[in-house]
Amino acid sequence: DVKVTQSSRYLVKRTGEKVFLECVQDMDHENMFWYRQDPGLGLRLIYFSYDVKMKEKGDIPEGYSVSREKKERFSLILESASTNQTSMYLCASSFQTTEAFFGQGTRLTVV
Amino acid sequence: GQNIDQPTEMTATEGAIVQINCTYQTSGFNGLFWYQQHAGEAPTFLSYNVLDGLEEKGRFSSFLSRSKGYSYLLLKELQMKDSASYLCAVTAGGGNKLTFGTGTQLKVEL
Repeated sequence: DVKVTQSSRYLVKRTGEKVFLECVQDMDHENMFWYRQDPGLGLRLIYFSYDVKMKEKGDIPEGYSVSREKKERFSLILESASTNQTSMYLCASSFQTTEAFFGQGTRLTVV
Repeated sequence: GQNIDQPTEMTATEGAIVQINCTYQTSGFNGLFWYQQHAGEAPTFLSYNVLDGLEEKGRFSSFLSRSKGYSYLLLKELQMKDSASYLCAVTAGGGNKLTFGTGTQLKVEL
């Protein structure tokens, strides 16, 4: 079975902190994605990557950056956390155009 | 950009059939996915359409019309456990950008 693992289920950070969310997949997938999910807004794409060191902005990249140094790992970075970044963050991976598999999510609270 | 529309909420009766529609506008369309998401859980894959027509998988079927930018998910013999959010998603471009609609919250009642 494909496994997508996010480093934390729950995280509480202070405003202004630099926050790292880590995602690891074990199926050699080229594509990896970071989304945030908020009530009424659905899953919104922050960044995605289709290969090592390659990244593309999604629909809401402001305030975020990403890193993909190895194929299996895709990191989401909040350079200076703000309260409006309190959300559920979901990582996903896929092989070419096939279905994406999701991690269990990280509920981030910024206080 | 991409625009994906689906109804916000639907209610149906146990044992009935329900159809959830999705319309989309995108360039570089590769394919369309349907996912199911129960409250507090991650989305799970239901179906994938790349060509026009109907794909059937047990109680679930999904239809795609590329020329109309339209898809639907058909759920038969509804069960209480089918109460969930159903997400329509489109993949597009060479990098396989995967964009989701806001989801349809389905409530199955007795």
